[in-house]
Amino acid sequence: EVQLVESGGGLVQPGGSLRLSCAASGFTFSSYSMNWVRQAPGKGLEWVSYISSSSRTIYYADSVKGRFTISRDNAKNSLYLQMNGLRAEDTAVYYCARDESSTWSFDYWGQGTLVTVSS
Amino acid sequence: DIQMTQSPSSLSASVGDRVTITCRASQGIRNDLGWYQQKPGKAPKRLIYAASSLQSGVPSRFSGSGSGTEFTLTISSLQPEDFATYYCLQHNSYPRFTFGPGTKVDIK
Repeated sequence: EVQLVESGGGLVQPGGSLRLSCAASGFTFSSYSMNWVRQAPGKGLEWVSYISSSSRTIYYADSVKGRFTISRDNAKNSLYLQMNGLRAEDTAVYYCARDESSTWSFDYWGQGTLVTVSS
Repeated sequence: DIQMTQSPSSLSASVGDRVTITCRASQGIRNDLGWYQQKPGKAPKRLIYAASSLQSGVPSRFSGSGSGTEFTLTISSLQPEDFATYYCLQHNSYPRFTFGPGTKVDIK
């Protein structure tokens, strides 16, 4: 069974940093591209970042470029999102999502982890 | 950048009703579109991919159609468990993605 479990969320002050993790199981993690998607409270979904299976290709949404860094460790079946320079508008539930190569869209999602940026 | 719109933003319907949600892209995206259902406090769940292909395990009352700039998600007979928010997602600009703003379906 495919499972994605996020962790690392919490309360952080504006300008602070946080590192999110996504532990994957039930599939060959190293064969799949992965993404982070976020959802501000009461708002819609926003794609944040993409990383290819080999980490060779990485993309970011303009709203986080230069502040967030996506990475992965295929040996540990884990995906990461390093978030620096956090702002109030980064407050959201952050989901990791598997990128199904045959359909180029997200077939499995984690349950999400809440990041709150507030003083 | 490709922008996505959805209509309506919300709707009220009764069990058994036929429901149609529309998603429009700011430029042609072929059939590079999926539909997702999200219930409160839960992660989104994929219903449709490639505009019209039903995700395995999803009831056949859900269907998708369209290509280019206009797409529809249809629920042929609304069930109590279908009350949720629905999002379209384009991947024509892969690996950059854009979600629609969502359509909330609630009980009349």
